[in-house]
Amino acid sequence: GENVEQHPSTLSVQEGDSAVIKCTYSDSASNYFPWYKQELGKRPQLIIDIRSNVGEKKDQRIAVTLNKTAKHFSLHITETQPEDSAVYFCAASDDYKLSFGAGTTVTVRA
Amino acid sequence: NAGVTQTPKFRILKIGQSMTLQCTQDMNHNYMYWYRQDPGMGLKLIYYSVGAGITDKGEVPNGYNVSRSTTEDFPLRLELAAPSQTSVYFCASMTQETQYFGPGTRLLVL
Repeated sequence: GENVEQHPSTLSVQEGDSAVIKCTYSDSASNYFPWYKQELGKRPQLIIDIRSNVGEKKDQRIAVTLNKTAKHFSLHITETQPEDSAVYFCAASDDYKLSFGAGTTVTVRA
Repeated sequence: NAGVTQTPKFRILKIGQSMTLQCTQDMNHNYMYWYRQDPGMGLKLIYYSVGAGITDKGEVPNGYNVSRSTTEDFPLRLELAAPSQTSVYFCASMTQETQYFGPGTRLLVL
């Protein structure tokens, strides 16, 4: 099955700086890569996703890049704000099952 | 739409007891999932269903059972609760590859 590795496990950034989270996947058949944000005690919520026919996607301050050859994808958050503090999960899917990374705890320092 | 709803929100079980975690969605999604999330970890797939009457095992199915008699409902059954099943359980439904999560059930087995 699919194996998704996520790095780093924790990330502390100064407010206004950028944050980058990287994930690698093992199954070359995977073609859908969502990112979820989970605030403390809440459910995971989709923040951005990318499909295998696209190399980059941007939505305001967040962007995701995908390198299918290397089998890795990354989340970029620019101009970080305190409300960006949360746990972020990457995932990969080859059809209808998601395999999740272990998560990155992002802390934005004021 | 209420989206995905789960009951109960929190439950304490004694070792060996049984219980059913309820999950309902009102979005007419065919695909539904059960995940568990242990502290500081990602989400592990327990069981999933691609439609009424069809269920299949995920990554960590041992100790659990599911049924899918209707499109809306996807209950998860624990027959003999064990301390290792202490976790937060999330139900999700999917459309067009996007999974929508319920609020979760926090289960403590003592």
